[in-house]
Amino acid sequence: DSGVTQTPKHLITATGQRVTLRCSPRSGDLSVYWYQQSLDQGLQFLIQYYNGEERAKGNILERFSAQQFPDLHSELNLSSLELGDSALYFCASSLYSPLSNTGELFFGEGSRLTVL
Amino acid sequence: GDSVTQMEGPVTLSEEAFLTINCTYTATGYPSLFWYVQYPGEGLQLLLKATKADDKGSNKGFEATYRKETTSFHLEKGSVQVSDSAVYFCALIGNAGGTSYGKLTFGQGTILTVHP
Repeated sequence: DSGVTQTPKHLITATGQRVTLRCSPRSGDLSVYWYQQSLDQGLQFLIQYYNGEERAKGNILERFSAQQFPDLHSELNLSSLELGDSALYFCASSLYSPLSNTGELFFGEGSRLTVL
Repeated sequence: GDSVTQMEGPVTLSEEAFLTINCTYTATGYPSLFWYVQYPGEGLQLLLKATKADDKGSNKGFEATYRKETTSFHLEKGSVQVSDSAVYFCALIGNAGGTSYGKLTFGQGTILTVHP
């Protein structure tokens, strides 16, 4: 058990819909990362939050957004869903801080999104 | 930007065979290097890591040595088991002071199947 909790584990929805994925980081970790895993793109970094603020952005579509709340949990919002958004979405947390960024990331079990 | 290249898979071996999965990277400065493993239906777990040149990471019989001169971090195991069947990801976190912000950059993953 990594200590990172993601919900829901599975989600099936239709094109055009909007979903929210939730992540609770390990206790003490201030940094949260979102990754998308698909068969054709591999593991792609989407976005990072540190202590409530967006820190880094990767290949995140404009239809997607995220935030980190004061209690440090994070949500990834996916809207106007397309078939190609079907993927496994991972959340990870770490002890990263602006002074030290070499720590390992701890991953949740992922949320599998299927868009029909 | 940072990048990681893994040998293409899938790799199929018989039990007790020797395993090598090649990994090379491109990054400025001195990144930290990682191998993560993903068992079927699960999230990513850290297998081993190395944070500076010539360091050897090891865990569960797996080893990898940080070779800065060849920018490589090849994964090896002397005798694989059926339970090692999984997807293996090589990854890096860029050096402190850069723009990595602690995020992992992954290789494309290598599927390993071990037969009895």
